[in-house]
Amino acid sequence: EMQLVESGGGLVKPGGSLRLSCVVSGFNFRSYSMNWVRQSPGKDLEWVASVSSTGNYVYYADSVKGRFTISRDNAKNSLFLQMNSLRGEDSAVYYCARNVATNSRGGFDPWGQGTLVSV
Amino acid sequence: QSALTQPPSASGSPGQSVTISCTGTNNDVGGNNYVSWYQQHPGKAPKLIIYEVAKRPSGVPDRFSGSKSGNTASLTVSGLQTEDEAEYYCCSYAGTNYVFGAGTKVTVL
Repeated sequence: EMQLVESGGGLVKPGGSLRLSCVVSGFNFRSYSMNWVRQSPGKDLEWVASVSSTGNYVYYADSVKGRFTISRDNAKNSLFLQMNSLRGEDSAVYYCARNVATNSRGGFDPWGQGTLVSV
Repeated sequence: QSALTQPPSASGSPGQSVTISCTGTNNDVGGNNYVSWYQQHPGKAPKLIIYEVAKRPSGVPDRFSGSKSGNTASLTVSGLQTEDEAEYYCCSYAGTNYVFGAGTKVTVL
């Protein structure tokens, strides 16, 4: 069974930092691009960042560019999101999600259970 | 403000069909075949139900179908069941990023 388990969320003051982690199991982690997607209290879903399978390519939403850093450790089946200079509008549930297929940008599956960040 | 436009709500009786639209631009929905749809029940993580416009992941009932015409993608739920009552979100790849719709609340009457 595929599992993605996020951790690291919490309450932080504006301007502060948090580091989210996502540990995965049940699939070949190093073969898939991975993503962070967040959902605000108002329910909107927002893609935050993506990292390629090797970690060589990273992409960010304009809203977090320059403040957030996505990374991965394939040896530890782990995905990370370093969040700096946090703002109130960053408050959300943060989900890690895998690309649906190794060579597809066509969707996210599966998703973790999410970790709550409150700024 | 979401990049993709969805109706806020849709409804149907059990057994009926409901179709949800998702309108974008040439830069996202109209520019590739990487449209996906997600079902979300309260308190749960989103679940992929359609990817690459019209493909269904394993385990998703064939009552769910997707299509696209120009800059508008559509999700149809046929033979509505009570468990289909949920929020539905569309998403499209947009070159180097992804954009979501604001969601459509489907109510089973």
